[in-house]
Amino acid sequence: NAGVTQTPKFQVLKTGQSMTLQCAQDMNHEYMSWYRQDPGMGLRLIHYSVGAGITDQGEVPNGYNVSRSTTEDFPLRLLSAAPSQTSVYFCASKRTGGFSTGELFFGEGSRLTVL
Amino acid sequence: AQKVTQAQTEISVVEKEDVTLDCVYETRDTTYYLFWYKQPPSGELVFLIRRNSFDEQNEISGRYSWNFQKSTSSFNFTITASQVVDSAVYFCALSGGYNQGGKLIFGQGTELSVKP
Repeated sequence: NAGVTQTPKFQVLKTGQSMTLQCAQDMNHEYMSWYRQDPGMGLRLIHYSVGAGITDQGEVPNGYNVSRSTTEDFPLRLLSAAPSQTSVYFCASKRTGGFSTGELFFGEGSRLTVL
Repeated sequence: AQKVTQAQTEISVVEKEDVTLDCVYETRDTTYYLFWYKQPPSGELVFLIRRNSFDEQNEISGRYSWNFQKSTSSFNFTITASQVVDSAVYFCALSGGYNQGGKLIFGQGTELSVKP
């Protein structure tokens, strides 16, 4: 019953450092996405993927990289961390196909602080 | 452009009061989907409901009810006889039609505090 698993749950970085937030799901969902949550702004879509080998940008993609080599994994890379990337990051997944708009399943979140 | 507005930033009620959380949306899509999620203090996001644009029936689930009105582009959420465990941030979200169900546009969230 793992669902969507994110690691690490907490991370502190210095400006300019790089890191990868890991996301894995065991529900065989084609669709995966990354959101960031900032106070007073709700959640905003960073990148998403509709299947292995396919990724696309969301609303706030700058400073982030993604790849999707397997159905299960969708890592989010910060290439050169900036204080503006201090946020809580959520990975989510869902089934796709036709007019399927089943619920998004969210991970527990990863709290990132960039000093 | 799509947009979701939750004008109430914070609401505070006393236990057993009824409370309504407002959600107003904007979209040019004729087919779209609306969602409510709950984020308790522990931080996870809990799915509450999905409604598609063709179904304007109101829905009731226990103490929760949702009122969808296309004429006013609103999808309001009412908690009847609120309880302390209802304290959380509630998000309304919108997605467009075909295969866009994963690209949710979230409102800013309403923080509900239910005091004993």
